[in-house]
Amino acid sequence: DGGITQSPKYLFRKEGQNVTLSCEQNLNHDAMYWYRQDPGQGLRLIYYSQIVNDFQKGDIAEGYSVSREKKESFPLTVTSAQKNPTAFYLCASSITGLAGVSSYNEQFFGPGTRLTVL
Amino acid sequence: DAKTTQPPSMDCAEGRAANLPCNHSTISGNEYVYWYRQIHSQGPQYIIHGLKNNETNEMASLIITEDRKSSTLILPHATLRDTAVYYCIVRVALGSARQLTFGSGTQLTVLP
Repeated sequence: DGGITQSPKYLFRKEGQNVTLSCEQNLNHDAMYWYRQDPGQGLRLIYYSQIVNDFQKGDIAEGYSVSREKKESFPLTVTSAQKNPTAFYLCASSITGLAGVSSYNEQFFGPGTRLTVL
Repeated sequence: DAKTTQPPSMDCAEGRAANLPCNHSTISGNEYVYWYRQIHSQGPQYIIHGLKNNETNEMASLIITEDRKSSTLILPHATLRDTAVYYCIVRVALGSARQLTFGSGTQLTVLP
């Protein structure tokens, strides 16, 4: 079955430690995204990538880093510079909506990783 | 991307139709209306999208007003499993990858 997987589902980290969240997709999608969600709020974009070896900052990129070495994988590192990292992190992917190729750009989401900083 | 306004919460009896409204008065001509939902502690799930015509799929129907300033998502026979936060999002469809801007959405609670 095609889809997006995120691991782990729950993650605990001590203050001051870096931690990497995994996101893998087998949908053959070009674009991948990382969002953060705080309790009772909508999603906010951290980073996104339209193609391998390329990525752009979203609205709240400070304290985070990403890499896109493979089409299938888009790991997110939460660094110690992120002041308030406790949140629900969601990864998504979509067919890149290049003009003339796709009429819309539906995003498929993974199940999420809940990160708690102790 | 145009902003949207949704009621923070709604209740619906099981088996009845759930009608979720969304206002998007500043929508542009090339912007689509998308609906996603998020069941507690899960990733959002795409429901439906449309430009100007009404749309229907196996999950829901989308009614867009003629002036496109508002829309309604209809779940024809709501079940307890439809309890979720529903997000209405307006954005252009064509072009390079763009993020979805999620607001606070509407918490729909389906009551037995």
